[in-house]
Amino acid sequence: EAQVTQNPRYLITVTGKKLTVTCSQNMNHEYMSWYRQDPGLGLRQIYYSMNVEVTDKGDVPEGYKVSRKEKRNFPLILESPSPNQTSLYFCASSLASGTPHQPQHFGDGTRLSIL
Amino acid sequence: LAKTTQPISMDSYEGQEVNITCSHNNIATNDYITWYQQFPSQGPRFIIQGYKTKVTNEVASLFIPADRKSSTLSLPRVSLSDTAVYYCLVGEAHTDKLIFGTGTRLQVFP
Repeated sequence: EAQVTQNPRYLITVTGKKLTVTCSQNMNHEYMSWYRQDPGLGLRQIYYSMNVEVTDKGDVPEGYKVSRKEKRNFPLILESPSPNQTSLYFCASSLASGTPHQPQHFGDGTRLSIL
Repeated sequence: LAKTTQPISMDSYEGQEVNITCSHNNIATNDYITWYQQFPSQGPRFIIQGYKTKVTNEVASLFIPADRKSSTLSLPRVSLSDTAVYYCLVGEAHTDKLIFGTGTRLQVFP
């Protein structure tokens, strides 16, 4: 089954404790992306990757890191989490980058609470 | 900077047609407009995509005027299961960045 898998689905942690949210897709997609979703603000792109070893900043990259060492995986790293990063996070992938942008396939989300 | 604007919420009744408009004044010349649907506790799901005029699939229609500064998602004869948040999405010119709107929460009543 074609899917985007995020782990963990829920996490409560404390300020400053490094964490990684993993994302994996099994569709051989080139484009992968991370979003955060906050009430009243919709979905905002954090980082995206056009292919292996190619990443770029989205609209809200501060406080986050990503890596794309393999095509299927795109982990989101919070080196020193802060309470303002409490949010619902989604990973997504699509066939390719460029125009027109391809339909995104989303994971089920990761709810992070940082105390 | 690409930006999209949608109504925050809309109400409808079962069986009615619902039209949700998104404005995207700075859409790139070669970019498409894409709409997604999101249910609670799930990731967004692709509904429809278009460049200009009208696109129709089994779920919805998408109307895009000639100037492409807005688009309208049309849901024919909605049911309770269409209660969801609907997002429009455009790309940022000269980048691979994607810009979602803030979403429109559609509530369908019996």
